[in-house]
Amino acid sequence: DAKTTQPPSMDCAEGRAANLPCNHSTISGNEYVYWYRQIHSQGPQYIIHGLKNNETNEMASLIITEDRKSSTLILPHATLRDTAVYYCIVSRSSNTGKLIFGQGTTLQVKP
Amino acid sequence: ETGVTQSPTHLIKTRGQQVTLRCSSQSGHNTVSWYQQALGQGPQFIFQYYREEENGRGNFPPRFSGLQFPNYSSELNVNALELDDSALYLCASSLESRADHNSPLHFGNGTRLTVT
Repeated sequence: DAKTTQPPSMDCAEGRAANLPCNHSTISGNEYVYWYRQIHSQGPQYIIHGLKNNETNEMASLIITEDRKSSTLILPHATLRDTAVYYCIVSRSSNTGKLIFGQGTTLQVKP
Repeated sequence: ETGVTQSPTHLIKTRGQQVTLRCSSQSGHNTVSWYQQALGQGPQFIFQYYREEENGRGNFPPRFSGLQFPNYSSELNVNALELDDSALYLCASSLESRADHNSPLHFGNGTRLTVT
């Protein structure tokens, strides 16, 4: 599975959009981009995933560049409860149970 | 819908002992994966079970073993505990089928194991 690169930390003001970048320049054609987050003292929580097209659900939006070498997770109106470590993971669909987590991005939402 | 539950939440063991951690999958899920998360690190994949058989393994020694039961609950067993086994152990379940391998993982909140 391809490796991902994320900034170690980011800050965001409460109520503003949080844009979390992820580089995955070695992604192959059959690999999906998954985002999970882990709030302190809890297990990781699935947020969203996509292959080529942009995706949106009730939690977030995922923007994938046309060459698929990078993506951005957007939390449209960040709240204090969105403070967490966010993991960007690239994986083949047949490997969704065998995810390779990196260090992730620690997002701090500030009042 | 019942989520993934793990027991116990915390556990202290001595080096050389054996430990069994338990996981109840989310209702309707048929696949379970186990992860180890050291302090300050991302989770590391240990192994996955599908239909009661191991279906993939990460870079962990044989003293890490598991079971999946017909009701899709699971156990993680670790023999000959070492100090470095101290970590948060996470269980995750999903629904896998031939038609859709994209089922996201649903994680429990983990068992915090301390080896002294």
